[in-house]
Amino acid sequence: KQEVTQIPAALSVPEGENLVLNCSFTDSAIYNLQWFRQDPGKGLTSLLLIQSSQREQTSGRLNASLDKSSGRSTLYIAASQPGDSATYLCAGDSGGGADGLTFGKGTHLIIQP
Amino acid sequence: NAGVTQTPKFQVLKTGQSMTLQCAQDMNHNSMYWYRQDPGMGLRLIYYSASEGTTDKGEVPNGYNVSRLNKREFSLRLESAAPSQTSVYFCASSDGGLGRNTIYFGEGSWLTVV
Repeated sequence: KQEVTQIPAALSVPEGENLVLNCSFTDSAIYNLQWFRQDPGKGLTSLLLIQSSQREQTSGRLNASLDKSSGRSTLYIAASQPGDSATYLCAGDSGGGADGLTFGKGTHLIIQP
Repeated sequence: NAGVTQTPKFQVLKTGQSMTLQCAQDMNHNSMYWYRQDPGMGLRLIYYSASEGTTDKGEVPNGYNVSRLNKREFSLRLESAAPSQTSVYFCASSDGGLGRNTIYFGEGSWLTVV
């Protein structure tokens, strides 16, 4: 069964810093990897989807990479802003029906003004 | 842009009571899902529906039933609520199978069972 781990569980950095959030998974047969953002009291918003044939995706100040061989994905946030404060979750799809998306527990990010 | 709409947003139930969480999406997606989110446990899949007329169990289906009423709507029913079902419930939809395409979540339904 796929297991997804996110480190660190919480992170607080000053505004303007570049930062990296980490996601590791146990099953290298992972099909797709998605990164989500969750604001307090809200649902999840998909940020980036890295499909099986891809190694990275970029959207604005966000860049996500996927290395299946090492079982890792990283989310890079450039020039962080207070509005980036949220919980970031990664989820892997092992391609098997109900065993589909497996979520990590998230990294709670605080950007200090 | 409505996206995925869930009702109710908040509900308090007594143990043994029943209720239905409603979910509708306006994106013409084939696949719909119900997740629960608990502190320290992350999101776990309860049931999903790959297409209208089909439903399948996820990781934690016990105590729940679902109905894919039509392409737009996917409801989750608790027949006899238990305190262990206190959680935040999220409905989601995507155009394709789990993980294949971007998945869109509703705002969540906070359920407390006392």
